[in-house]
Amino acid sequence: AQSVTQLDSQVPVFEEAPVELRCNYSSSVSVYLFWYVQYPNQGLQLLLKYLSGSTLVKGINGFEAEFNKSQTSFHLRKPSVHISDTAEYFCAVSAGPSGNTGKLIFGQGTTLQVKP
Amino acid sequence: EPEVTQTPSHQVTQMGQEVILRCVPISNHLYFYWYRQILGQKVEFLVSFYNNEISEKSEIFDDQFSVERPDGSNFTLKIRSTKLEDSAMYFCASTEGYIQPQHFGDGTRLSIL
Repeated sequence: AQSVTQLDSQVPVFEEAPVELRCNYSSSVSVYLFWYVQYPNQGLQLLLKYLSGSTLVKGINGFEAEFNKSQTSFHLRKPSVHISDTAEYFCAVSAGPSGNTGKLIFGQGTTLQVKP
Repeated sequence: EPEVTQTPSHQVTQMGQEVILRCVPISNHLYFYWYRQILGQKVEFLVSFYNNEISEKSEIFDDQFSVERPDGSNFTLKIRSTKLEDSAMYFCASTEGYIQPQHFGDGTRLSIL
């Protein structure tokens, strides 16, 4: 079984500052990793994904994440945040190819609060 | 860009009543999912559906829940006899392949009174 831990429930940051949202996972099998963003009263929108290959993945809106297998982490980063990045961010994991139905296991979410 | 659409956006129901939540997945997608998010908690997997049958379900998805794809375009979640603890936001998602990213609808907020 897989599980995801997002270490920070809230991250306040000033506009134009860098930010890192932390995500750790546990799994006995290989995994696919995702970051989703949820704006108020909306569904989840994919920011980026790691399936295989390069451990540094780039997503939309200037976000990137690095897969670290030894530390079982997939932290999300942005070098300079905007007010519009204020939202809830979810890290999610899906089991690798074996017996995968594609179900996503989500972390608790991190609220990113960007202040002017 | 194609979207997953969910109706209604908000459903208020008396405890014990049946409720049907509706979803129209993206047309060429083959895998369908329901998730729920209780207020203030994380998004939880309920069920996955492929090739007209359930491929996986969680412990939450008990006998009170059922899913159906009645006409090749809609994907429904039925709760037979609602409980107070069923109050949550329910999200539908679809994808063209199980390793492809899932596309989510905006959700249905279900309030049980």
